Amino acid sequence: AQSVTQPDIHITVSEGASLELRCNYSYGATPYLFWYVQSPGQGLQLLLKYFSGDTLVQGIKGFEAEFKRSQSSFNLRKPSVHWSDAAEYFCAVARMDSSYKLIFGSGTRLLVRP
Amino acid sequence: DADVTQTPRNRITKTGKRIMLECSQTKGHDRMYWYRQDPGLGLRLIYYSFDVKDINKGEISDGYSVSRQAQAKFSLSLESAIPNQTALYFCATSAEPGLAGSSYNEQFFGPGTRLTVL
Repeated sequence: AQSVTQPDIHITVSEGASLELRCNYSYGATPYLFWYVQSPGQGLQLLLKYFSGDTLVQGIKGFEAEFKRSQSSFNLRKPSVHWSDAAEYFCAVARMDSSYKLIFGSGTRLLVRP
Repeated sequence: DADVTQTPRNRITKTGKRIMLECSQTKGHDRMYWYRQDPGLGLRLIYYSFDVKDINKGEISDGYSVSRQAQAKFSLSLESAIPNQTALYFCATSAEPGLAGSSYNEQFFGPGTRLTVL
């Protein structure tokens, strides 16, 4: 069965520091992978997605993610974090059957120190 | 204006009450979804619908029902609410895969409804 693991429940970084949020997936075929961000009181917004091709994908707000098939990972990175990046981040994998359902990880809450 | 709207945004109700959460979208998408979010569990799929005549159960459909009144409207009902249904509920929409040149289309989420069952 497909699953997504985000091993870090909380991460705290200082403003201006680099960020990496981890995501590991379990899926038998080539996965379709997503990162969403949920700001306080808001719905989920898509940051970036990977379907195929270049394994380094660029997203909005200066985020990028790298797909590593050998490690079953799709980690999210940002070189310099801004206070407005404080939010909860969700990794998700799409089931490539007729449902196209998204399987979400449990989320990582990012706190940004001034 | 928001593309995916949910009403109400917040609701407090009592055990045993019937409650309906509503979702409307102006994106013209055929596919609509209902999720619930619980701390530490991420989002879990309750029901989804690929068109007005299509309703499918998700991972956690027990205790819930849905109605797809029109392409743009998808309602979630709790027939007899219980405290462990206290959660944040999200509606989402997506286009049919294959449109716009991609084999999978992203899901667009509403702002959520915070439901508390006392």
